Amino acid sequence: DQQVKQNSPSLSVQEGRISILNCDYTNSMFDYFLWYKKYPAEGPTFLISISSIKDKNEDGRFTVFLNKSAKHLSLHIVPSQPGDSAVYFCAASEEGAGNMLTFGGGTRLMVKP
Amino acid sequence: NAGVTQTPKFRVLKTGQSMTLLCAQDMNHEYMYWYRQDPGMGLRLIHYSVGEGTTAKGEVPDGYNVSRLKKQNFLLGLESAAPSQTSVYFCASSSGKPQHFGDGTRLSIL
Repeated sequence: DQQVKQNSPSLSVQEGRISILNCDYTNSMFDYFLWYKKYPAEGPTFLISISSIKDKNEDGRFTVFLNKSAKHLSLHIVPSQPGDSAVYFCAASEEGAGNMLTFGGGTRLMVKP
Repeated sequence: NAGVTQTPKFRVLKTGQSMTLLCAQDMNHEYMYWYRQDPGMGLRLIHYSVGEGTTAKGEVPDGYNVSRLKKQNFLLGLESAAPSQTSVYFCASSSGKPQHFGDGTRLSIL
């Protein structure tokens, strides 16, 4: 059973609008969450993260929100740009677990000019 | 600025053949990881290492072996390749969070 789920396999957004990517998790021991971005034929690259002691973390156009009671996090991209078109993975880890990450299945974002 | 380097980038094997995937990192990271990526399933952890000479099983270790003889290298071995091992393999390293990934090895087993 997947502990981290991204229920939307794909998302299409107009350039300049907001992109919202969602992620749900089931393991209450997860205390750190990350978003990775992946272009074709490349490895995932780290985008932004959030600790469970926070409910929001912002870095430029990217903001991650964490709702611990709902076991839900989301990534907001504002404004969206065509270069943001990629597959986005959310990942989670728990304290002391060898820094292992559990990944969601990914969401393919397409930003249309 | 090499970061994490994986070799080879592509490989086609026949069922039953063996091969080794090499991962090298130049960031002096303690932790190293091997993942496989399959459509719709994200990245799943195969094996990992928390330091030179140590290895541990991840989520999907069956059919794979690993070795970490040097801090900068992490090898993933397939002793007898099976079609179910057709996948894209990613290596990662870290000194904590986040993990830094290589560009992957695309492996096809016929």
